[in-house]
Amino acid sequence: DTAVSQTPKYLVTQMGNDKSIKCEQNLGHDTMYWYKQDSKKFLKIMFSYNNKELIINETVPNRFSPKSPDKAHLNLHINSLELGDSAVYFCASSQDTDEQYFGPGTRLTVT
Amino acid sequence: GQQLNQSPQSMFIQEGEDVSMNCTSSSIFNTWLWYKQDPGEGPVLLIALYKAGELTSNGRLTAQFGITRKDSFLNISASIPSDVGIYFCAGHAGGTSYGKLTFGQGTILTVHP
Repeated sequence: DTAVSQTPKYLVTQMGNDKSIKCEQNLGHDTMYWYKQDSKKFLKIMFSYNNKELIINETVPNRFSPKSPDKAHLNLHINSLELGDSAVYFCASSQDTDEQYFGPGTRLTVT
Repeated sequence: GQQLNQSPQSMFIQEGEDVSMNCTSSSIFNTWLWYKQDPGEGPVLLIALYKAGELTSNGRLTAQFGITRKDSFLNISASIPSDVGIYFCAGHAGGTSYGKLTFGQGTILTVHP
């Protein structure tokens, strides 16, 4: 009965690789988000999709590309990974309000 | 861009004590939210506030939306060990900032039994 789920939980990879993180929500929400939490625990929004349409695209390198195949899924693909991409990435969702519900996070480590 | 200043950065308290933390902003927010994050987990929504002056409780937690719409506080009464974690405030400016939450830096709470 998980509300917002992410896979994988941990991802360790080398610089230059391409990787994807997947997110699914079973709350019936129509808006989904990707956040990045840095080593100081600061949370910053990266992208937001509403009904599969991109509505928020913060200043994020174009190596990051979100994709929403349907309302319940929002994936994040990262090309040419760099050391500075190491962080915890959170998916979240909401429906008609500002109350966003977060997934458990994906800890990405780039070596 | 908008920034939220959350204080204190960390707190060390004894079990049973009350806790207070707050967030201030240089600009107006239409919504204030408070989240708690446990280690290795995602933030969990505690309280959402939608009206200036609103005071809302959730068990031992009480939060208020400041009258100026530029601040909010969270109180935890009679703290227990499971209150340990990082507490974040978040604000939404409304209007064209659809869905975009701005987060505070977090307050790390440690509760000694």
